[in-house]
Amino acid sequence: AQKVTQAQTEISVVEKEDVTLDCVYETRDTTYYLFWYKQPPSGELVFLIRRNSFDEQNEISGRYSWNFQKSTSSFNFTITASQVVDSAVYFCALSDYNAGGTSYGKLTFGQGTILTVHP
Amino acid sequence: DAGVTQSPTHLIKTRGQQVTLRCSPKSGHDTVSWYQQALGQGPQFIFQYYEEEERQRGNFPDRFSGHQFPNYSSELNVNALLLGDSALYLCASTNYLGQSQETQYFGPGTRLLVL
Repeated sequence: AQKVTQAQTEISVVEKEDVTLDCVYETRDTTYYLFWYKQPPSGELVFLIRRNSFDEQNEISGRYSWNFQKSTSSFNFTITASQVVDSAVYFCALSDYNAGGTSYGKLTFGQGTILTVHP
Repeated sequence: DAGVTQSPTHLIKTRGQQVTLRCSPKSGHDTVSWYQQALGQGPQFIFQYYEEEERQRGNFPDRFSGHQFPNYSSELNVNALLLGDSALYLCASTNYLGQSQETQYFGPGTRLLVL
C-alpha cells in the first residue's frame, strides 16, 4: 500500500525566511509521480510541482525548489523568501500507475503541513 | 480556460438523507476523480470515472456511488448519510491519455455538513 508522511504538522516563519517542507513516501511501484499541492483557506487544492520517479534532477521554479531523493524516499519542498500569501496548508501526494493501464490513478496524500508566514 | 467547477458550494443535510454533488471537469479533460477531505486531514480517494465507467475505487462503502455523463461531467451520490460523512468533497480532473495525464486539477470543493 502507498503511504505519504509529512512529519511537520505546523511551521511558523517570518516573511523573507526560507522554509522547507518535508515529505517521505512509501510505494512498491517503480513508476510513480510525486506532487506538492497548496490549499489556501478557500479550500481549493492548487497544483504546484510534480516529479516522476525516473527523474531525480532537482529544479527551481521561481521561489519554489524541490529535492527528490529516491534512495531515502523523500520529496522535500522549499519556498525561498517566504511571503504572507504563502500561508496555507501544503500537501505532498503520490500517484500510482494503473496496473496494465496507461494512466495514472488515485492520489495518496499526506496529512498536510500548515504554514504560517508572519509579516 | 475554464477550470474545474463544483456545485453546490455548501450543503447541510440530516442523518439518513441522500445527497448529490456535481462536478464539471477542466476544459479538455475527460477523467474525473472524487476525494473526501475530513477536517484537518489530507484528501482520501473515493473513485475515478473515465468513459462513463468507474475505473478505480478507494476504500469507501457502497453508499458512495457516482456517475459520469457523455459531456464528462460527474455526480457523486451518498446515501444514508452519517455524521462522519461531514467533509469537504473535492473533484479533480485530468486527461486520461493526454499530455500531463499524471496531473489532477482540483475544483473548489463542496462542504457537506450532516446534522
